[in-house]
Amino acid sequence: DGGITQSPKYLFRKEGQNVTLSCEQNLNHDAMYWYRQDPGQGLRLIYYSQIVNDFQKGDIAEGYSVSREKKESFPLTVTSAQKNPTAFYLCASSIYAGQTGELFFGEGSRLTVL
Amino acid sequence: RKEVEQDPGPFNVPEGATVAFNCTYSNSASQSFFWYRQDCRKEPKLLMSVYSSGNEDGRFTAQLNRASQYISLLIRDSKLSDSATYLCVVKETASGTYKYIFGTGTRLKVLA
Repeated sequence: DGGITQSPKYLFRKEGQNVTLSCEQNLNHDAMYWYRQDPGQGLRLIYYSQIVNDFQKGDIAEGYSVSREKKESFPLTVTSAQKNPTAFYLCASSIYAGQTGELFFGEGSRLTVL
Repeated sequence: RKEVEQDPGPFNVPEGATVAFNCTYSNSASQSFFWYRQDCRKEPKLLMSVYSSGNEDGRFTAQLNRASQYISLLIRDSKLSDSATYLCVVKETASGTYKYIFGTGTRLKVLA
């Protein structure tokens, strides 16, 4: 079945550690996105990529980094510079960067900093 | 002003009721519009795209008013299973790239 796979589903981290969240899609989508959601709040865009080897900062990119070496993969690293990293992280993709096309989401990764 | 605004609710309605949500957006150049449903602690899932002429899918009707820059979602004959948060999403261009902007969501509770 085609879809987006995020791992791990739950992750606990000590302060000062970097962690990498995996996102893989087999939908042959061009564009991929990372969002963060805090309790009771909307989704905020961290980074997005519309083609391989290219990505742009979203609204809250500070303390995060990404790479897009393959079309299928868009990992997110939460660095120690991110002051409040505990959140629900959602990876998404869309078929192309054109006008139409909805977003498809993975099941999310829930990060807790101890 | 937020780019996409929704009333957070919660909207508490009895089973069988009709309920309507509105969403306003600030960028008049926005191109595509969607309603997503999000259950507690789950990922958002597409409920329906919103077309200029309006569209209906069973008990759900979505409408777009470009002149006033708002989108609406109407749910008829509410079911208990409709209880969720409904997210308004706008796709817009920014310097040649495309972004999806989310509202904060409207919570719906359908009561038995």
